[in-house]
Amino acid sequence: DAKTTQPNSMESNEEEPVHLPCNHSTISGTDYIHWYRQLPSQGPEYVIHGLTSNVNNRMASLAIAEDRKSSTLILHRATLRDAAVYYCILGLTGNQFYFGTGTSLTVIP
Amino acid sequence: NAGVTQTPKFQVLKTGQSMTLQCAQDMNHNSMYWYRQDPGMGLRLIYYSASEGTTDKGEVPNGYNVSRLNKREFSLRLESAAPSQTSVYFCASSEQRNQETQYFGPGTRLLVL
Repeated sequence: DAKTTQPNSMESNEEEPVHLPCNHSTISGTDYIHWYRQLPSQGPEYVIHGLTSNVNNRMASLAIAEDRKSSTLILHRATLRDAAVYYCILGLTGNQFYFGTGTSLTVIP
Repeated sequence: NAGVTQTPKFQVLKTGQSMTLQCAQDMNHNSMYWYRQDPGMGLRLIYYSASEGTTDKGEVPNGYNVSRLNKREFSLRLESAAPSQTSVYFCASSEQRNQETQYFGPGTRLLVL
């Protein structure tokens, strides 16, 4: 199973940018990098995904290293509603996602 | 659209009892999935169904059976519940299998005594 490594927890002040790192040194050439987040007592929700190039959407940006062995999820202005566990996942062929324990983000007012 | 719905929201079972967790999606997705999440852990894949009529084992299939009843519905059955199956169960769906975004339901909290 493909592994990703993320810090257990991070803190950010409200309205400041947040950079959530992820290492995935065993990534293969066809694996997409997916980010999901899970708010308390809810199911995970999609944030963003990418293959090689940096990606932007209304929720966040995804910066992918040139060698693809690491990536960073960027929340441009953290709000209290962004407090959640963020999962970095490699989307393997066949769409079998392997969730790690993720990064628990605390947003400080 | 309701997205992915799951029933029941919460259930208490005694060891050895059986039950079926129901999942339905109204997005016309081909693929559906069952995960479990233990306290403080990430989600682990139990079974998935790439398309109607097919099912495959995931990472932790022991003690579970699944049925893809039709394109909309995917059920998870515990034939003889054990305390180790106490967990939160999430159903998800995606348009296709490969690399597609998965949409998750709200979860079923199961306690086995």
